[in-house]
Amino acid sequence: DAGVTQSPTHLIKTRGQQVTLRCSPKSGHDTVSWYQQALGQGPQFIFQYYEEEERQRGNFPDRFSGHQFPNYSSELNVNALLLGDSALYLCASSFGGTMNQPQHFGDGTRLSIL
Amino acid sequence: KNEVEQSPQNLTAQEGEFITINCSYSVGISALHWLQQHPGGGIVSLFMLSSGKKKHGRLIATINIQEKHSSLHITASHPRDSAVYICAVTYITQGGSEKLVFGKGTKLTVNP
Repeated sequence: DAGVTQSPTHLIKTRGQQVTLRCSPKSGHDTVSWYQQALGQGPQFIFQYYEEEERQRGNFPDRFSGHQFPNYSSELNVNALLLGDSALYLCASSFGGTMNQPQHFGDGTRLSIL
Repeated sequence: KNEVEQSPQNLTAQEGEFITINCSYSVGISALHWLQQHPGGGIVSLFMLSSGKKKHGRLIATINIQEKHSSLHITASHPRDSAVYICAVTYITQGGSEKLVFGKGTKLTVNP
């Protein structure tokens, strides 16, 4: 039974570019949440997708957008990359469109902006 | 001020010691999560609780809703327990949406 998988594991981009990160949820889960974790900090909630819609959103600008597909997998897109977007991006899956369920995390994508 | 505060920030212990990590929060919550993050980034959910106490192996999590405080205890600590332990809370905003807020984490090092 596969857990949460994220791709790619590492990525290097330059300022102004666009990036797409991908996440496949744990089998049986229908909800995907995305988090940004800067070095030495706790994760910060970006948004949550359930039933192919963005259901909750944290304090992130519109440059951060996402999508959920019918198979529950999800993408995180970031446009016009800034140096400050360098971070570990974590995806977590759960069931039922609520945060009051245990979150199962992937290993993350480490994004570096040059 | 962050809605979730953890203490201590860093903790060094000798193998076998009893460990306590504390988490205080400032909002009325619907759930509290304890997470473990190893070097390299992967996060594992240890507990989710909204009242009382939960135990799994050598790990115990307690929560006091009235005092807005939770503790994570590790009994008979082992070097493999070395990790960052993160507390996170779920609450409902005035607008009716759910919000999940994380503490900055406690870095635990257990020496043999």
